Amino acid sequence: DAKTTQPPSMDCAEGRAANLPCNHSTISGNEYVYWYRQIHSQGPQYIIHGLKNNETNEMASLIITEDRKSSTLILPHATLRDTAVYYCIASRWGGSQGNLIFGKGTKLSVKP
Amino acid sequence: DGGITQSPKYLFRKEGQNVTLSCEQNLNHDAMYWYRQDPGQGLRLIYYSQIVNDFQKGDIAEGYSVSREKKESFPLTVTSAQKNPTAFYLCASSHRDSLATNEKLFFGSGTQLSVL
Repeated sequence: DAKTTQPPSMDCAEGRAANLPCNHSTISGNEYVYWYRQIHSQGPQYIIHGLKNNETNEMASLIITEDRKSSTLILPHATLRDTAVYYCIASRWGGSQGNLIFGKGTKLSVKP
Repeated sequence: DGGITQSPKYLFRKEGQNVTLSCEQNLNHDAMYWYRQDPGQGLRLIYYSQIVNDFQKGDIAEGYSVSREKKESFPLTVTSAQKNPTAFYLCASSHRDSLATNEKLFFGSGTQLSVL
């Protein structure tokens, strides 16, 4: 898996968009970018993943740069319940190889 | 509801004691995993299993053992050989996509293990 780099923490005002960056400059062509989040004392939750194109689902949007060396997770209207640690992972496999590397992630604090 | 159930939520271990953490899933997933998380840290893979009666060591398997006798169950035993067992333990499962294009992990709610 390619190494990813994320800021250790970010703040966001409630109701505003939260933009979480991730660098993965050594990502290979067959590696996907995955995002998970972990609310305190719970298991991580899958958010979204993508390969080249931008992706959107009911939770978030994923913007991947054209050279695929970085990406941004966007929570369009952050709520207090979005306060969590967000993990960016670059991996060829979704999980069957058991080799998803969950680093320290970004601790997002949504404030009223 | 389909999901992954871990029990107990909290567990205490005495010195020299083996303890077993339970993980059950009703998602019909083939693959199951155990991770360990220390405070303020990411997740580290202990063991994983891609099919019944087969499992592989992860990055930190020493002091741990697993079994996979049923598709739904993947219990983790923390043995007395694990000298620093205090951590948050997470079980996960995934459906094996033959193209590996749409796989994702589903996690349980975790077990906090502490040493008395």
